Amino acid sequence: KAGVTQTPRYLIKTRGQQVTLSCSPISGHRSVSWYQQTPGQGLQFLFEYFSETQRNKGNFPGRFSGRQFSNSRSEMNVSTLELGDSALYLCASSLWGTEVQETQYFGPGTRLLVL
Amino acid sequence: SQKIEQNSEALNIQEGKTATLTCNYTNYSPAYLQWYRQDPGRGPVFLLLIRENEKEKRKERLKVTFDTTLKQSLFHITASQPADSATYLCALHPTGGGNKLTFGTGTQLKVEL
Repeated sequence: KAGVTQTPRYLIKTRGQQVTLSCSPISGHRSVSWYQQTPGQGLQFLFEYFSETQRNKGNFPGRFSGRQFSNSRSEMNVSTLELGDSALYLCASSLWGTEVQETQYFGPGTRLLVL
Repeated sequence: SQKIEQNSEALNIQEGKTATLTCNYTNYSPAYLQWYRQDPGRGPVFLLLIRENEKEKRKERLKVTFDTTLKQSLFHITASQPADSATYLCALHPTGGGNKLTFGTGTQLKVEL
């Protein structure tokens, strides 16, 4: 089975621009979560999608948004980029994402640099 | 506020020794706790999960303990090898639905020959 894939792997943008990142979960997985990783704050939960609906949300401003498609692929969008948005954005997928513990499988991440 | 603390300083140990990493949390009631390994430039890889009603879990050379009274988890790697060098993250999953993990900042482990 192919793992979680994320595109693009690297991205350079300037302040004020917007960016869209893509995540393809493992085949059959329906829960997709997004995380931001920075040296100062570590890994922080952005949001989770299941069956095209946002099921959980972290404490990020509204500039961060996402969506999930019927094939479980997910995109996240960051509008009006700020320097502090420079980070590694990680996507993780799991089967159902319910209380019954499941392994989350992470992708390699998209490294975003905002200049 | 909720807080998860891991040793921010890197841990250097000799090959063959046991590495012990600590994860402490406050203002949190996790349903279960997970440990991940992360190599540079890669996403975290799941290692072990332990539930709140479990004291200890083992997998090959790995052992995790979970003390909900002390609000602490210990992660042990026995007979450590240079290939075990990586950053190790603990993550807490709260009681309730969904996949909202809260991660610690990680501890970098370096196993030297």
